[in-house]
Amino acid sequence: ETGVTQSPTHLIKTRGQQVTLRCSSQSGHNTVSWYQQALGQGPQFIFQYYREEENGRGNFPPRFSGLQFPNYSSELNVNALELDDSALYLCASSLAGGAPGYGYTFGSGTRLTVV
Amino acid sequence: AQSVTQLDSQVPVFEEAPVELRCNYSSSVSVYLFWYVQYPNQGLQLLLKYLSGSTLVKGINGFEAEFNKSQTSFHLRKPSVHISDTAEYFCAVRLNQGAQKLVFGQGTRLTINP
Repeated sequence: ETGVTQSPTHLIKTRGQQVTLRCSSQSGHNTVSWYQQALGQGPQFIFQYYREEENGRGNFPPRFSGLQFPNYSSELNVNALELDDSALYLCASSLAGGAPGYGYTFGSGTRLTVV
Repeated sequence: AQSVTQLDSQVPVFEEAPVELRCNYSSSVSVYLFWYVQYPNQGLQLLLKYLSGSTLVKGINGFEAEFNKSQTSFHLRKPSVHISDTAEYFCAVRLNQGAQKLVFGQGTRLTINP
């Protein structure tokens, strides 16, 4: 059973640019959530996708957007990058719309640095 | 809205000593509670979770936590720590209905000294 895979592992972008981060969910999982973890902080919920539809969103501006594909993999897109977007971005997959009994499996994250 | 407070940002402990990492939460509705561990340059790994039933929950690597509804706490404990337990620990909650998100605390860095 494969876990959650995120790519790339590290990325450096310039302020104002756009970035796409990718996530392959654990086999059989149909729900993907994205979190932003700034240095020294706990992860913060960005949004969740269930069966290719957004299923909840945190306090992030619209320039943070996402997609989920039929194979349940997902992308996180960030437009007009700002310095404060520098963080570790974590993807988590789960079954059945995030029902708690199934738990979440986290990937190792993508470290984004905006300069 | 729910929130999580981890009362200690850093906890240094000697090897084989017991440890308690404290977590308090705030929510107007019932919640589910989780503890995750994060090793350097890695994602989050689930240690244990409380959904319902017995308030004492046992997890992996010898950790356990006790849910105390009256004190809105979910402290994590281990009777004897090992060097390999050095990591960042996060307490998290989610509502038992509606939004599916996890709300995390700020984290507690556990350092085990030989």
